[in-house]
Amino acid sequence: GAGVSQSPSNKVTEKGKDVELRCDPISGHTALYWYRQSLGQGLEFLIYFQGNSAPDKSGLPSDRFSAERTGGSVSTLTIQRTQQEDSAVYLCASIGTSGRDTQYFGPGTRLTVL
Amino acid sequence: GDSVTQMEGPVTLSEEAFLTINCTYTATGYPSLFWYVQYPGEGLQLLLKATKADDKGSNKGFEATYRKETTSFHLEKGSVQVSDSAVYFCALYTGGFKTIFGAGTRLFVKA
Repeated sequence: GAGVSQSPSNKVTEKGKDVELRCDPISGHTALYWYRQSLGQGLEFLIYFQGNSAPDKSGLPSDRFSAERTGGSVSTLTIQRTQQEDSAVYLCASIGTSGRDTQYFGPGTRLTVL
Repeated sequence: GDSVTQMEGPVTLSEEAFLTINCTYTATGYPSLFWYVQYPGEGLQLLLKATKADDKGSNKGFEATYRKETTSFHLEKGSVQVSDSAVYFCALYTGGFKTIFGAGTRLFVKA
């Protein structure tokens, strides 16, 4: 079946603008994660959603970042008033029913803030 | 808290050389351990995993053994190929649906 998809694949924006990044997880997966990968850096956890539970937002770097997951499926990560330090690749991953399961990653959205 | 430490890269090897990428962890309880690989221009994908002590994960010629006594999960391959050039991430899961990733190790394999 289809894997995790993300859109857009690339986004260039001006400092101060808002951006929305979209993630379509694998159908039936209960948990969805957002990570940030800066140039040459590892994965920085941002947020995850698990079923109908309240999301774990502990990794969001500031209140300019927010995310929602509608209908237990598609998720949108929103960054308001973008800054140059927000430039990175934003990765989405989904997981089946257990945290011990494999995470399936999308190809990422490369965000460039000018 | 729980953490993962992996060797810094980049690692540069010639084709057919032996590869070791070190990974050690700190965790309470009984974690599951993973290696993910990110090929150029692609998202991460699972390479191998082990869920309990002394388990050996293996895939595509890569191996890693879950060593509880040394809290390690080193990645090895006997003979690397140019196509193995990628970034390798060690990861740890201890519960609560949160996986902790290492910083990644970039591998370059020269023909």
